[in-house]
Amino acid sequence: KAGVTQTPRYLIKTRGQQVTLSCSPISGHRSVSWYQQTPGQGLQFLFEYFSETQRNKGNFPGRFSGRQFSNSRSEMNVSTLELGDSALYLCASSEGLAGGLSEQFFGPGTRLTVL
Amino acid sequence: LAKTTQPISMDSYEGQEVNITCSHNNIATNDYITWYQQFPSQGPRFIIQGYKTKVTNEVASLFIPADRKSSTLSLPRVSLSDTAVYYCLVDTSGTYKYIFGTGTRLKVLA
Repeated sequence: KAGVTQTPRYLIKTRGQQVTLSCSPISGHRSVSWYQQTPGQGLQFLFEYFSETQRNKGNFPGRFSGRQFSNSRSEMNVSTLELGDSALYLCASSEGLAGGLSEQFFGPGTRLTVL
Repeated sequence: LAKTTQPISMDSYEGQEVNITCSHNNIATNDYITWYQQFPSQGPRFIIQGYKTKVTNEVASLFIPADRKSSTLSLPRVSLSDTAVYYCLVDTSGTYKYIFGTGTRLKVLA
């Protein structure tokens, strides 16, 4: 089985711009979660999508949004970029079973640099 | 809201057993604990998951005491390739769903 893929791997943007990141989950997985990783804040949960619906959301401003398509692929969008949005954005897919039984498989991440 | 803390770093020698503890004082009754390993320039990789008492798989053991306010990842006989950052993750049924620990940088020395 192919693993989780994320595109692009690297991205450079300037303040005020917007960006869209893409994630293709493992075949058969219906849950996709997004995380932000920075040296200062560590790994922080952004949101989770399951069967095209946002199931959970982390503590991030509304500039961060996402969606999931019928084939389980997901995109996340960040509008009005700020310098502090520079981070590694990780996507993880799982079967999405309730009760914490689903192992999450992470992609390699997209490194976003905001200048 | 569960808060999770871990030691920042640990050093060990090859062949030794390593125990990394994660404190999660506000863990809820139905929350699961998962441990991940992360190498530079890679996403985290699943190691083990548990809810209570002890869980063991082919690479690690996870100990969770009865009060569930902490959990300990045990790596038997570490090797140089185990040098990585280890994260605990609380899969919470409450707000903000997945809460990662601060991460422990393990360095295995020859």
